[in-house]
Amino acid sequence: EPEVTQTPSHQVTQMGQEVILRCVPISNHLYFYWYRQILGQKVEFLVSFYNNEISEKSEIFDDQFSVERPDGSNFTLKIRSTKLEDSAMYFCASSDEPSAEAFFGQGTRLTVV
Amino acid sequence: GQQLNQSPQSMFIQEGEDVSMNCTSSSIFNTWLWYKQDPGEGPVLLIALYKAGELTSNGRLTAQFGITRKDSFLNISASIPSDVGIYFCAGPDYGGSQGNLIFGKGTKLSVKP
Repeated sequence: EPEVTQTPSHQVTQMGQEVILRCVPISNHLYFYWYRQILGQKVEFLVSFYNNEISEKSEIFDDQFSVERPDGSNFTLKIRSTKLEDSAMYFCASSDEPSAEAFFGQGTRLTVV
Repeated sequence: GQQLNQSPQSMFIQEGEDVSMNCTSSSIFNTWLWYKQDPGEGPVLLIALYKAGELTSNGRLTAQFGITRKDSFLNISASIPSDVGIYFCAGPDYGGSQGNLIFGKGTKLSVKP
């Protein structure tokens, strides 16, 4: 069964460092998303991406965040200068249509120290 | 903005019991999704509902799309220990155009063998 894969599963980084979280969406999907889940809280939308550009972004997705689809398979989230409050699980998701079933990866746990 | 309210917040039941949880919103949703999240994992889609009044089953799980389009419930029959996890309802944020999802805060289910 096709699935969304994310790497790494866990990343520990120093405050102020840049991190890149990687995702391989399901191959025939066209809509890609990043979500965040702070420990014990609900899943929150960060950004959606379609046709090689950002479609929507939330207030959380400030200038420190960027996304890229560097090739035909990978989808990345970069945090330029990490803050302690960026510590969370980051989930990549993809869907074949908007407003449809989104399939999530297993997540990257980011710990900023 | 749109919000999804889930209840109960947590449930502690005996194996074999049936479970019911629900999700309500102050605004209309045209799609309801139910996800399950195991600790340290990403949300896994259980059931998708696309039509008001729709009742859909997936094994021991049954979900309904409320006729007002402002609520949905999820039932689990004859619970087993592996049903343990957090159950989230989600729906597309129509303030955005690409179907980014809004999640409820989840119902945490514990099952005692």
